[in-house]
Amino acid sequence: NAGVMQNPRHLVRRRGQEARLRCSPMKGHSHVYWYRQLPEEGLKFMVYLQKENIIDESGMPKERFSAEFPKEGPSILRIQQVVRGDSAAYFCASSSPGTDTQYFGPGTRLTVL
Amino acid sequence: AQSVTQLDSHVSVSEGTPVLLRCNYSSSYSPSLFWYVQHPNKGLQLLLKYTSAATLVKGINGFEAEFKKSETSFHLTKPSAHMSDAAEYFCVVSDLPGTSGGGADGLTFGKGTHLIIQP
Repeated sequence: NAGVMQNPRHLVRRRGQEARLRCSPMKGHSHVYWYRQLPEEGLKFMVYLQKENIIDESGMPKERFSAEFPKEGPSILRIQQVVRGDSAAYFCASSSPGTDTQYFGPGTRLTVL
Repeated sequence: AQSVTQLDSHVSVSEGTPVLLRCNYSSSYSPSLFWYVQHPNKGLQLLLKYTSAATLVKGINGFEAEFKKSETSFHLTKPSAHMSDAAEYFCVVSDLPGTSGGGADGLTFGKGTHLIIQP
């Protein structure tokens, strides 16, 4: 049973470009969460999605960031017009309904030049 | 609102000696509490989880944690440290246990404790 998959593992973008981060949850999990980890800090919650629904995006920056979890395919975290401050590790986690245990992917490390 | 305080940013112990990583939390409800470990440039691995079934929780790799409601603490311990335990450890709280997806807030992380193992 494969765990949570994220790709790419490393992503380099220049300022102003778009970054797309992908997350495939564990088999049987229908809930996806995105977190951001800045250097020397813990993870900060960004958004919680179920299939085709955003349940809670209270941690998402108001501009340039969006997330989706379509009926088919992985969840996508999209960052438009990236800036240097977006450089961080972005982690995806998934869980099954009725439990609050989240399983994390390996993360995508975004570097903005 | 929930919060987590990890009292030590760095802990250094010698191999074979006990490990104690301290965590205090605040929560409006009866929380679920977790410890996760993160090895360098890796994702997070769940070490253990408390959900009110028992106050002493045993996890993987010989770790355990004790929930003390009166002290609002959830300290992580291991009797004998191993070199492979060197990593970052996060104490985490979820305010709404048992609900689908862990509640609308997601998980709240402490800032982490960097565990160093001296040979």
